[in-house]
Amino acid sequence: GDSVTQMEGPVTLSEEAFLTINCTYTATGYPSLFWYVQYPGEGLQLLLKATKADDKGSNKGFEATYRKETTSFHLEKGSVQVSDSAVYFCALSVQDSNYQLIWGAGTKLIIKP
Amino acid sequence: GAVVSQHPSRVICKSGTSVKIECRSLDFQATTMFWYRQFPKQSLMLMATSNEGSKATYEQGVEKDKFLINHASLTLSTLTVTSAHPEDSSFYICSARVGSGQPQHFGDGTRLSIL
Repeated sequence: GDSVTQMEGPVTLSEEAFLTINCTYTATGYPSLFWYVQYPGEGLQLLLKATKADDKGSNKGFEATYRKETTSFHLEKGSVQVSDSAVYFCALSVQDSNYQLIWGAGTKLIIKP
Repeated sequence: GAVVSQHPSRVICKSGTSVKIECRSLDFQATTMFWYRQFPKQSLMLMATSNEGSKATYEQGVEKDKFLINHASLTLSTLTVTSAHPEDSSFYICSARVGSGQPQHFGDGTRLSIL
């Protein structure tokens, strides 16, 4: 079945470091890909998305490129801030499953000043 | 745009009480709303999918008589946890989307604690 695999956390970085959170997927259809962020005690916010191969989603300095050849959607940011500390979820949706979201396990990011 | 309001944000109540959680899409009409449960340090578990005007579709293992879902309008869905017990304590999150293929937009979640 369809699935999403994320790198395990927590990921701990110093402020202004470069961030990569890996995400790979398996899907029988042609999925749309998403990154959601969850700040402590809050619900989830859509961070960025991509709907077709080679699309790059970007928001708030974060970027992710839909790579069909490697079935990946890695999240990157050039210089992280303490306020980026949160849990990041990679997810996909496909038409065959009525566009329900298939979630990765989440990666906790801790940024130290 | 695409704001989803979930209320209440936190509930603490005694065992045996029924608790209602509301999920509203404030600036769009949501044909579909989703209810999730999140255990500590875990990903979201989809409980049910509700479409306006029809019965909710529950995921395997979720008791429909325990978790009553009503999607009365295009902007409101409610989840009622009936006769709640301590094992029902969790973080419940709703989401809403305009239509198939569109992103889901999430509420801020409800922390339910049953004593």
